[in-house]
Amino acid sequence: KQEVTQIPAALSVPEGENLVLNCSFTDSAIYNLQWFRQDPGKGLTSLLLIQSSQREQTSGRLNASLDKSSGRSTLYIAASQPGDSATYLCAVKGGTSGSRLTFGEGTQLTVNP
Amino acid sequence: NAGVMQNPRHLVRRRGQEARLRCSPMKGHSHVYWYRQLPEEGLKFMVYLQKENIIDESGMPKERFSAEFPKEGPSILRIQQVVRGDSAAYFCASSDQGASYNEQFFGPGTRLTVL
Repeated sequence: KQEVTQIPAALSVPEGENLVLNCSFTDSAIYNLQWFRQDPGKGLTSLLLIQSSQREQTSGRLNASLDKSSGRSTLYIAASQPGDSATYLCAVKGGTSGSRLTFGEGTQLTVNP
Repeated sequence: NAGVMQNPRHLVRRRGQEARLRCSPMKGHSHVYWYRQLPEEGLKFMVYLQKENIIDESGMPKERFSAEFPKEGPSILRIQQVVRGDSAAYFCASSDQGASYNEQFFGPGTRLTVL
């Protein structure tokens, strides 16, 4: 059974800092990995999708890497801003879970002005 | 090009009533997934449907919950005789194929409160 773990569960940083969020998964036979952002009481905003054949994806200040063999992904946020405050979710598709997405519990990020 | 639509956005039911949650996938998408987010927990898969077929319902509770995706119209997640533990956010996602590499696009969710 696929399990996804995100560390840390919560993170508080001052504005301007670069930061890294971590995601690990137990079954490396994934099709892809996706990072989402969720604001309180809101839906999911897709940030980056990395296919299993890719090593990283970039969008603006965000960079996500994928190491399938070790079952790890990182989300790097450069020059953090208060507007980045949200919960960040990692989800994997494939392996024993087939077409469904298996989500981690999320990292709650607070960027202080 | 409208995204995934869900309605209602908020639903309040008393214990024992029925809840019907609707999901309209993105235009051209024929694959729908339902996920549930209980308070203070992560999102959990419930069911995967293709038009008129249930592909994977391994995440659905065995009783009171059912889902359909008819040939015409939205996908419906139905909860009979709701209990307080059903209070959660229910998210729908859609994709244009069930292929392994296809991205799922999420709707805004329906927040169900059971009194």
